[in-house]
Amino acid sequence: AQKITQTQPGMFVQEKEAVTLDCTYDTSDQSYGLFWYKQPSSGEMIFLIYQGSYDEQNATEGRYSLNFQKARKSANLVISASQLGDSAMYFCAMREAMDSNYQLIWGAGTKLIIKP
Amino acid sequence: DTGVSQDPRHKITKRGQNVTFRCDPISEHNRLYWYRQTLGQGPEFLTYFQNEAQLEKSRLLSDRFSAERPKGSFSTLEIQRTEQGDSAMYLCASSLDQGTGYFGPGTRLTVT
Repeated sequence: AQKITQTQPGMFVQEKEAVTLDCTYDTSDQSYGLFWYKQPSSGEMIFLIYQGSYDEQNATEGRYSLNFQKARKSANLVISASQLGDSAMYFCAMREAMDSNYQLIWGAGTKLIIKP
Repeated sequence: DTGVSQDPRHKITKRGQNVTFRCDPISEHNRLYWYRQTLGQGPEFLTYFQNEAQLEKSRLLSDRFSAERPKGSFSTLEIQRTEQGDSAMYLCASSLDQGTGYFGPGTRLTVT
């Protein structure tokens, strides 16, 4: 079974609109972390935002926020006021057990294209 | 620039040749990770170092692959007798303990 599921292979969004990228996860651990990374066409994997399973507040970083719904096991990324430079692949990833190594489990990614 | 760096950025090699990639992590980071990413997929974990000790290796890492981090700073990933299936992006990441991992720009390998 997939541990990280990103159901949107690709999305087109008009510039300045908000975007929600879906991510659901599957784990039996009580302690885990969820990450979103952006990968532009250059290939570099850029860290965007992190949510710990015990964090009570949804994480926010500038225009990025994470809509964390623990009971539904979802961790959707919301990008407000999208920009042309947001066009990239976006990956959701999970780290199980907070004392483990950094072996992330990755989703298949969503390709986001921002239209002018 | 104090980010993770990787060299080379691109490598084209013929099947059967050996290749070596280098990763320089963020200087204060004690953990270093290698991932492989094929087109249209998320990264797959290959191996992980804490300081100079290689603590975990994926079963993806066949005996043709070897990784080192001799002084606990930079790391090398060598692939011997390359095969076309080795064509991929090889990503390196570093972290301070269990903190967030920061990735380098990757090395894109093409085996012809």
